[in-house]
Amino acid sequence: AQSVTQLGSHVSVSEGALVLLRCNYSSSVPPYLFWYVQYPNQGLQLLLKYTSAATLVKGINGFEAEFKKSETSFHLTKPSAHMSDAAEYFCAVSDRDSGGSNYKLTFGKGTLLTVNP
Amino acid sequence: DAGVIQSPRHEVTEMGQEVTLRCKPISGHNSLFWYRQTMMRGLELLIYFNNNVPIDDSGMPEDRFSAKMPNASFSTLKIQPSEPRDSAVYFCASRTVPQETQYFGPGTRLLVL
Repeated sequence: AQSVTQLGSHVSVSEGALVLLRCNYSSSVPPYLFWYVQYPNQGLQLLLKYTSAATLVKGINGFEAEFKKSETSFHLTKPSAHMSDAAEYFCAVSDRDSGGSNYKLTFGKGTLLTVNP
Repeated sequence: DAGVIQSPRHEVTEMGQEVTLRCKPISGHNSLFWYRQTMMRGLELLIYFNNNVPIDDSGMPEDRFSAKMPNASFSTLKIQPSEPRDSAVYFCASRTVPQETQYFGPGTRLLVL
């Protein structure tokens, strides 16, 4: 089974500072990888996804993530944090079924991002 | 599109009562997922349907939990009898096949007293 590790359950940055949220995965096959964001009392919203095309993936709200196979990592970054970025961020890897149609997401524990003025 | 719709948004009930959570997936989506989110265990996949057929229910915690999908536009997750440890936020998500992105509903916040 695949697994996802998010280093740091809580990250705090100042407004305007670099955001770096770490995600490492375990997978025996090329994975599909996702970052989701959850604002308070809301569902999860897709930020970006990697599906074996370009290794640098750009998402919404200025976020991007780089797939590094050698490091089994998919870290999320944003050059300049904004107050509205405060939320919980989840990294997820997709398990493929025998038919080859990716169907199940395994989520990391999440990282709560706090942005200080 | 209205997105994934869940009802109720909040539910407070007493231990031993039956609880039914409802989900309407995005029109045209073939797969539906039920998740549970708690502080202790994070996001857990409970069950997954493809074309209304349950594919993987290995995450369903106990026989007290059951899920159905009678048609492509409706699914229920039932807990009978409910217990305080079932208190959590329950999310429904849907996606097209073979599209990988899952779209989440706003969740149902369940409190069992």
